[in-house]
Amino acid sequence: DTGVSQDPRHKITKRGQNVTFRCDPISEHNRLYWYRQTLGQGPEFLTYFQNEAQLEKSRLLSDRFSAERPKGSFSTLEIQRTEQGDSAMYLCASSFTLFTGTGANVLTFGAGSRLTVL
Amino acid sequence: KNEVEQSPQNLTAQEGEFITINCSYSVGISALHWLQQHPGGGIVSLFMLSSGKKKHGRLIATINIQEKHSSLHITASHPRDSAVYICAVKRAGGTSYGKLTFGQGTILTVHP
Repeated sequence: DTGVSQDPRHKITKRGQNVTFRCDPISEHNRLYWYRQTLGQGPEFLTYFQNEAQLEKSRLLSDRFSAERPKGSFSTLEIQRTEQGDSAMYLCASSFTLFTGTGANVLTFGAGSRLTVL
Repeated sequence: KNEVEQSPQNLTAQEGEFITINCSYSVGISALHWLQQHPGGGIVSLFMLSSGKKKHGRLIATINIQEKHSSLHITASHPRDSAVYICAVKRAGGTSYGKLTFGQGTILTVHP
């Protein structure tokens, strides 16, 4: 396993188009997170999954955003009707955490998918 | 005011210098992470700590839970250490296991 993979690495699209990003986490990891990072800022949490269940969504995630992890393995993040403000790096991370644990787990990040909306 | 504040925002050093990056937070936490992000690259986890001090090679991370403060030190800095260093905390309690709140990052440039 080579770590967390994200695809595509770069996406340029026109305003109004839909885009989809894919994240393949480390295979034995049960948790998967999506973050968004704009230039000069730290990442902001978007959503996370425990196996296939989406357990939390940030208020940053508008109705145009949807994330899935249908089989508890890879995840997709779709943005519909993109806007210029959606331009950012979308980061995926995964971890393995025992459900009864403290949750203070180490995350492994992917390289990110950079979105540019023209 | 952000829940996680880093200082300085930008740091320039000469090769060999000892570097300190600071992180202060205003919420109760169960863990604090130090992460490294290279330009155009992904994020690498350097340390996760909940108390005391950890060391890995030339990197040292300390945390003072009472003062809600952590520091990342780099000894004998090298140009390849140039990157953005990010502090992130996991809030204590609640059900948001693993969700991190990030600082804005510190841009480190080490000149040869």
